[in-house]
Amino acid sequence: GQNIDQPTEMTATEGAIVQINCTYQTSGFNGLFWYQQHAGEAPTFLSYNVLDGLEEKGRFSSFLSRSKGYSYLLLKELQMKDSASYLCAVILPTGGGNKLTFGTGTQLKVEL
Amino acid sequence: DSGVTQTPKHLITATGQRVTLRCSPRSGDLSVYWYQQSLDQGLQFLIQYYNGEERAKGNILERFSAQQFPDLHSELNLSSLELGDSALYFCASGTGASNQPQHFGDGTRLSIL
Repeated sequence: GQNIDQPTEMTATEGAIVQINCTYQTSGFNGLFWYQQHAGEAPTFLSYNVLDGLEEKGRFSSFLSRSKGYSYLLLKELQMKDSASYLCAVILPTGGGNKLTFGTGTQLKVEL
Repeated sequence: DSGVTQTPKHLITATGQRVTLRCSPRSGDLSVYWYQQSLDQGLQFLIQYYNGEERAKGNILERFSAQQFPDLHSELNLSSLELGDSALYFCASGTGASNQPQHFGDGTRLSIL
């Protein structure tokens, strides 16, 4: 089966830096996505990694190590609006298509 | 606004009934994906269509079926509804390429009474 693990909850302070980890064990790998989801809303795309290393996009960075089955999302200069669930998802080849398999998400709470 | 439109936003019905959820993908996207999100299961992939053809299947129940029409909109049909089917159902669209993100609609919240 497919296994994607993330911490359930994290708390951080406004203005600080937080790192959300994700480990995965999957049969197949075509890349890893991070999505942000506010309660009751649609997930929104943050980042994509398929090669090892760091991808930076403004206040958000994502890192991947394929040999370790490990990724992290780094959020800098935290703002209150960053309070949300962060979903790690691995894209798996499936026959003629592909499917996103999501972890259960990390609920981040940003405090003053 | 992702450009993906889902209707209806909310649906309340009873056990044993059948419902149809509708999704219009972003302009230019050929692929549509359906997901179910419940509190205890997280976001679960159901099925993918690409240009009218089924491409990938997840743990979709036999009571559920989907199709994608020539104009690329898609419908998810849920029948013989059970209390456990209560969830948020998301549609996402994309190019179909694995290295491109899927863009999610706002979802349909289904409540079974």
